[in-house]
Amino acid sequence: EAQVTQNPRYLITVTGKKLTVTCSQNMNHEYMSWYRQDPGLGLRQIYYSMNVEVTDKGDVPEGYKVSRKEKRNFPLILESPSPNQTSLYFCASSSLLTGQDEQYFGPGTRLTVT
Amino acid sequence: RKEVEQDPGPFNVPEGATVAFNCTYSNSASQSFFWYRQDCRKEPKLLMSVYSSGNEDGRFTAQLNRASQYISLLIRDSKLSDSATYLCVAVEGYSTLTFGKGTMLLVSP
Repeated sequence: EAQVTQNPRYLITVTGKKLTVTCSQNMNHEYMSWYRQDPGLGLRQIYYSMNVEVTDKGDVPEGYKVSRKEKRNFPLILESPSPNQTSLYFCASSSLLTGQDEQYFGPGTRLTVT
Repeated sequence: RKEVEQDPGPFNVPEGATVAFNCTYSNSASQSFFWYRQDCRKEPKLLMSVYSSGNEDGRFTAQLNRASQYISLLIRDSKLSDSATYLCVAVEGYSTLTFGKGTMLLVSP
């Protein structure tokens, strides 16, 4: 089954404690990205990657890091989480070969930073 | 600043009604447009692409007006299962996606 998986699905942590949210896709997609979704602000892009070892900032990259060492994985790293990073996070992937016709989203990770 | 604007709603309609959503975008370099559907606390899923010539998929019709920089979604014969938030998306190139904040639709019996 074609899918994007994220882990963990729910996480409560404390300020300053480094965390990583994993994202994996099994569709051999070149393009992967991370979004956060907040009430009243909609979905905002954090980082994206066009292929292995190629990453770039989205609209709200501050406080986040990413890496793309393998095509299937695109982890989101919060080196020192703060309460304003409490949000619902989505990973997404799509194929560049067929054009930007559909983003496949993971199920989301609900993060709370206290 | 690239923006996509949508009326947040909610749009409350009875079953069987026809409802239309509009969305405006500010980035004239946007090349592709989509409507996504998002159920409460779930991930967005593609509803349909939007083409200049307009496109129809069953009860759903999407249209794009590049001159006025807006796109629309028409839902005919609304079903209870259509209740969701509808997200408008404008894409520049392959990498820059800008989502609207979404329009909530509530279909009642």
